[in-house]
Amino acid sequence: DTEVTQTPKHLVMGMTNKKSLKCEQHMGHRAMYWYKQKAKKPPELMFVYSYEKLSINESVPSRFSPECPNSSLLNLHLHALQPEDSALYLCASSQDRTGGVNTEAFFGQGTRLTVV
Amino acid sequence: QKEVEQNSGPLSVPEGAIASLNCTYSDRVSQSFFWYRQYSGKSPELIMSIYSNGDKEDGRFTAQLNKASQYVSLLIRDSQPSDSATYLCAVNRDTGRRALTFGSGTRLQVQP
Repeated sequence: DTEVTQTPKHLVMGMTNKKSLKCEQHMGHRAMYWYKQKAKKPPELMFVYSYEKLSINESVPSRFSPECPNSSLLNLHLHALQPEDSALYLCASSQDRTGGVNTEAFFGQGTRLTVV
Repeated sequence: QKEVEQNSGPLSVPEGAIASLNCTYSDRVSQSFFWYRQYSGKSPELIMSIYSNGDKEDGRFTAQLNKASQYVSLLIRDSQPSDSATYLCAVNRDTGRRALTFGSGTRLQVQP
């Protein structure tokens, strides 16, 4: 089973709203990722959690706030977003074998976010 | 110089032909290499991973890695219209900053 589940699939929110994106995996993976993808562009890394600790923050604006409540769950809290934040938000997970060869990262189906 | 470079295409091949997709990377610390397929409006789907020099075959797909030349390629044999998609090359390190870095993707069109 290589399933990463993201909810919701679609989200429309106003600039003053607060919403959360959710991601879940049951593959025993210890690394989880948030990527943002704009149309006709590759995924762009936002955050990495390794063993439930934030290991990479790609200078993402504070209106995006990640959270990793446990090893299976990853959230992305959204507040005061701008229309230019509209994009496909992708969650991914992988095993994180320190000192060894990285294993594959598997993506969820994404959340299509529209900020109005 | 971009970390991972791909020709954006579109690469157009007739049905049944071999499609050849290429990728170069600049970070010599990269150790893991992946090809993802992404259909329009969908998320990336992993189709191949390769970690050591040489060829790796899986069905109609062959990945080739040459670390000395910092070059990764994907061959798709007997291309089908359903292979029409954007193919993303991704690289990763084993140490330091460990997260996928993607190329811009090559759009493949397989003509029936």
